[in-house]
Amino acid sequence: EPEVTQTPSHQVTQMGQEVILRCVPISNHLYFYWYRQILGQKVEFLVSFYNNEISEKSEIFDDQFSVERPDGSNFTLKIRSTKLEDSAMYFCASSAGEGQPQHFGDGTRLSIL
Amino acid sequence: AQTVTQSQPEMSVQEAETVTLSCTYDTSESDYYLFWYKQPPSRQMILVIRQEAYKQQNATENRFSVNFQKAAKSFSLKISDSQLGDAAMYFCAYISGRNTDKLIFGTGTRLQVFP
Repeated sequence: EPEVTQTPSHQVTQMGQEVILRCVPISNHLYFYWYRQILGQKVEFLVSFYNNEISEKSEIFDDQFSVERPDGSNFTLKIRSTKLEDSAMYFCASSAGEGQPQHFGDGTRLSIL
Repeated sequence: AQTVTQSQPEMSVQEAETVTLSCTYDTSESDYYLFWYKQPPSRQMILVIRQEAYKQQNATENRFSVNFQKAAKSFSLKISDSQLGDAAMYFCAYISGRNTDKLIFGTGTRLQVFP
């Protein structure tokens, strides 16, 4: 069964550094998402992406965050200058259409020191 | 704004028994989708079941079924014949049917399964 893959599984970064989290969505999916889950808390929506542009973003997704689909397969989340509070599990998801099930990757655990 | 509430932080069940996890939501919309996701200790988010609000029939997926009560805004998950592998965090989630694909999650219910 096709799946969403995320790399790396764990990223440790110094505060203030830039980090790029990578995702390969399911190949025939058109909608892409990033969510985050701070340890012990619920999953929060960050951003959705369709047709090469952001379709929706949350208040969390400020100017420090950006997303990109640099080629036909990858979908990346960049945090420009990381803060301690960015430490979380980051999930990428993709779906075939609006209202369709979103399939999640295994997540990247981001630890900011 | 839509909200999803899971009032049971933890539940436990004996292997082979049945357990029901509760979820309520608040929305003024009539068209939306509801989901249950499972998150085992490995932290992966796995889709368990999906319900479209316009369908009166409750969704079923093998041992998993839902009790969707639209008027009461309730969406509970029933797990029959519980197995040790069902032990996980279960999240209820909502998507509006209007020009958004943002999943809104509840706080989760941790399910323990005892042999």
